[in-house]
Order: sequence, then structure tokens, then C-alpha cells
Amino acid sequence: KAGVTQTPRYLIKTRGQQVTLSCSPISGHRSVSWYQQTPGQGLQFLFEYFSETQRNKGNFPGRFSGRQFSNSRSEMNVSTLELGDSALYLCASTKTRTGGYTFGSGTRLTVV
Amino acid sequence: DAKTTQPNSMESNEEEPVHLPCNHSTISGTDYIHWYRQLPSQGPEYVIHGLTSNVNNRMASLAIAEDRKSSTLILHRATLRDAAVYYCILSATGGSNYKLTFGKGTLLTVNP
Repeated sequence: KAGVTQTPRYLIKTRGQQVTLSCSPISGHRSVSWYQQTPGQGLQFLFEYFSETQRNKGNFPGRFSGRQFSNSRSEMNVSTLELGDSALYLCASTKTRTGGYTFGSGTRLTVV
Repeated sequence: DAKTTQPNSMESNEEEPVHLPCNHSTISGTDYIHWYRQLPSQGPEYVIHGLTSNVNNRMASLAIAEDRKSSTLILHRATLRDAAVYYCILSATGGSNYKLTFGKGTLLTVNP
């Protein structure tokens, strides 16, 4: 079966720009979470969506936002990019809150 | 958020069993214990998870202490492909707190 698909795989943006990342979960998975991974901070939770509603949010500034569509696909947006936003952004989906999560391969964002 | 403690690194020989420990003394009754592993430049891969009872799947076994304050991931016969960073994570499922809180993980080296 198809896994979690994240697009694009790589992205280079300039400081001050905004960026939108996309995540298509496994079919039937209604929960989608986003994580940021950097060498210094490791994997950090950004937010989680279920049935188009944000259920939980991590400790990130308001420049980071997301949404989920009726088909469970999700997007995250980062506005006014900063150099420190350079990271691997990972999306994960799960069928139930007590189940295992399936991660995508991530989007590598570089801000210059 | 409940925290986990893992050794920074462990080493094993190919075809030998590996026992990866994890302490989670502040675990709550509704927290599931998850294990994921990550190879460089890839998203985390689900390994196994459980609540109270020991769990087995084709990849590994999860042994959970009776008081649930610690657990051990068991790889029955390590292969070179098992070399990765292994994360022990508590998944909070109570209330609206659906997320995985990653620590630094254990870097497993497998010697041929």
C-alpha cells in the first residue's frame, strides 16, 4: 500500500519568503501530525490534525500554521522564513490515536 | 509531557540479540510506549508499540516492566540494516494530547 507522501522533497527559499509543504497520509488515516527535525533540537512536534481540526499544537511561533482537507491531506505553511527554519519537516499519519504512526520521508527546507 | 531516558549509544555484533533499554518513570496510565528507528536522511520508521503487555511483531519484541516504568526493545538477531537511531517514545492518548515526544534516542552500531 502507498505510504505517507510528502512534497516537495527539497526546497530552497530566501529569508522573508513563505513556504507551503504538502502531506498525503495513508488511505484511511485521519490523523496527520507534523514534526520539525534539526541537528540541534532533534524531532519536535509542530501540530496534529484530525478530521480537519487542529487537536494539538507544539511550542512554535504563529508563523507556523497548518490545515487539513476533507480527504485528510494536510499542508503546513511557514511565513516570513528565518534562517533557523532550515530543517527536515516530517509528516506522520495514524489510523487511531492508540496506533503506530507512519512517517513520510520528509521535506528538506533550506533557507538562505 | 512524560519523558524517556535512553543510552546515547550501543554496539552489537551481527546475528546477535540486542536489548535496547528505556526508562520512563513518569509514565501515566494512558501512555503507550512506542519505538521508532531512523536512518540518516529518512523519516522515522515504526518498530513496535504497546501499553501493558509484552508485544511481538516481525521486526522486534517489546518487553514492558510490570510497573511500566521501563521497557526494552529486543532485536532477536541484529543485521547491518538494523544500524540506526532508535527512539523510545511515550504517546499521550488521554484528553486531546495526541503527539509523540521524541528524545535523543540511542544510536545502535552493528558490527559485521
